[in-house]
Amino acid sequence: GENVEQHPSTLSVQEGDSAVIKCTYSDSASNYFPWYKQELGKRPQLIIDIRSNVGEKKDQRIAVTLNKTAKHFSLHITETQPEDSAVYFCAASKNQGAQKLVFGQGTRLTINP
Amino acid sequence: DADVTQTPRNRITKTGKRIMLECSQTKGHDRMYWYRQDPGLGLRLIYYSFDVKDINKGEISDGYSVSRQAQAKFSLSLESAIPNQTALYFCATSGGQGASYEQYFGPGTRLTVT
Repeated sequence: GENVEQHPSTLSVQEGDSAVIKCTYSDSASNYFPWYKQELGKRPQLIIDIRSNVGEKKDQRIAVTLNKTAKHFSLHITETQPEDSAVYFCAASKNQGAQKLVFGQGTRLTINP
Repeated sequence: DADVTQTPRNRITKTGKRIMLECSQTKGHDRMYWYRQDPGLGLRLIYYSFDVKDINKGEISDGYSVSRQAQAKFSLSLESAIPNQTALYFCATSGGQGASYEQYFGPGTRLTVT
């Protein structure tokens, strides 16, 4: 089955700097890659997603890039702010009807003022 | 998101006890999921359901069972709880064919098995 590896497990950056989180997946049939953000004590929420027919997607300060050949995708956050501090999860799916997502292990991002 | 609710929010139980976690949604979604979250392991899928008549095992279904009582209700049961089932449990929902792929999570149930 699918396996998703996420790195780093923790990341600390200065406010205003950029943050990058990387994920690799094992199943070349996967074609949907969402990113979820989980603030402390809260539920995970979707922040951005990308499908395999697109190489990059951007939404204000966040962007996701996908390299299908290498089977990896990354989350980029620019101009980081304190409210970006959270745990971020990547996931992959083959989009077979029900969205059976396989999640990475998570990255705890801390923004230092 | 108040559209997906879970009860109870916290539960402490003893080894060997049967326990049920409940999930309800008012989003009108067909698809419902149960995940468990453990530190350093991310979210792992326990069971998922396409609709009322469809139940599927996820990555880690051993020791768990589910019931889809209605489109809006999906319950997770631990028949005989054990300490390594101590975790944070999330229910999630998503729309049907042609809908957004986004999964909407409930607030979570923190379960402790002593």
